Amino acid sequence: DGGITQSPKYLFRKEGQNVTLSCEQNLNHDAMYWYRQDPGQGLRLIYYSQIVNDFQKGDIAEGYSVSREKKESFPLTVTSAQKNPTAFYLCASRTGRTYNEQFFGPGTRLTVL
Amino acid sequence: GQSLEQPSEVTAVEGAIVQINCTYQTSGFYGLSWYQQHDGGAPTFLSYNGLDGLEETGRFSSFLSRSDSYGYLLLQELQMKDSASYFCAALNRDDKIIFGKGTRLHILP
Repeated sequence: DGGITQSPKYLFRKEGQNVTLSCEQNLNHDAMYWYRQDPGQGLRLIYYSQIVNDFQKGDIAEGYSVSREKKESFPLTVTSAQKNPTAFYLCASRTGRTYNEQFFGPGTRLTVL
Repeated sequence: GQSLEQPSEVTAVEGAIVQINCTYQTSGFYGLSWYQQHDGGAPTFLSYNGLDGLEETGRFSSFLSRSDSYGYLLLQELQMKDSASYFCAALNRDDKIIFGKGTRLHILP
């Protein structure tokens, strides 16, 4: 079955530690996205990538980093510079052409203690 | 800046019709999408408008007016399972997709 996987579902880290969130898709989609969602809030764009080895900052990129070495994978690192990292992180992909549907992974709930 | 505005909450009765509005301000606007999200879950795609006018998908319809920078989602024959948050999202020409803050839909029996 095609889809997007994110792991782990729940993640706990101590303050000051970097943590990497995994996102893998087997939909052969060109574009991939990372969003952050806080309770009762919308989705805020962190980073997105249109093709391999290229990515652009979203609206809240500070304190985060990404890589896109393979078409299938778009990991997100939450660094210690991110002041308030506790949130629900969602990864999405879409074909990158005019068809606009984004497919979302199940999300990772990160808690920094 | 780029932003999308939608009401924070809407309440409707089971079996009725409800409309959720969205106004947007973005550069390089290409189209408007709608997503549904149940508590604790991931958003799922409902509809997309790349052109002005109405798009119908079953009980859900979506409308776009580029000249007014405005769109809406129309839900008909409301069911209790439609209780969720609904987001409008703007696609820009550089593939950037920005979401509104969401509208919480409460359905009364």
